[in-house]
Amino acid sequence: AQTVTQSQPEMSVQEAETVTLSCTYDTSESDYYLFWYKQPPSRQMILVIRQEAYKQQNATENRFSVNFQKAAKSFSLKISDSQLGDAAMYFCAYRSANFGNEKLTFGTGTRLTIIP
Amino acid sequence: EPEVTQTPSHQVTQMGQEVILRCVPISNHLYFYWYRQILGQKVEFLVSFYNNEISEKSEIFDDQFSVERPDGSNFTLKIRSTKLEDSAMYFCASSLAGTGEETQYFGPGTRLLVL
Repeated sequence: AQTVTQSQPEMSVQEAETVTLSCTYDTSESDYYLFWYKQPPSRQMILVIRQEAYKQQNATENRFSVNFQKAAKSFSLKISDSQLGDAAMYFCAYRSANFGNEKLTFGTGTRLTIIP
Repeated sequence: EPEVTQTPSHQVTQMGQEVILRCVPISNHLYFYWYRQILGQKVEFLVSFYNNEISEKSEIFDDQFSVERPDGSNFTLKIRSTKLEDSAMYFCASSLAGTGEETQYFGPGTRLLVL
């Protein structure tokens, strides 16, 4: 079974600075997908960014980028130019590429605080 | 932009009562999911549903739970006899296909409180 570990329960960053959230995972599969979801106080889960394991290039979405290290099974999220609206719980998630195994496996989350 | 909707946003029920949580997935999506998040804990997968059948379920999804797509738009989660430990946020999600590359889009959740 796959597991996802987020070792930082809480992080804080000054507004406009850069912060990196860590995520590691364990799997025996070679093909899979990784996601970062954001959960603001409203509690809705919002997709931030995704990475396909077969792609070597790290995904980027505006101020959000990932550092995907497949051999190390590491998938960190970098937020540049942090904004107050980035304050939220961030969850790393894994999904198998095998058909019929569609579930997302989440980590325990990192609560990000933005300091004005 | 299309979105997943869920009703009610909050539900309070007495232990032992039945509850039905409702979801309207994105209209052209074919795969539907329920997840739950107990307060302060991680989001956990309950069940996935495709072509009017359960395609995958977790250990949490026991006989107390059932899912149904009663019409062309709604997707429901029924909890037959609620327990205190069922208190949680329940999220519905949908995706266009079941392959891993397809993003799952989440609804805003239903907060269930069992007294």
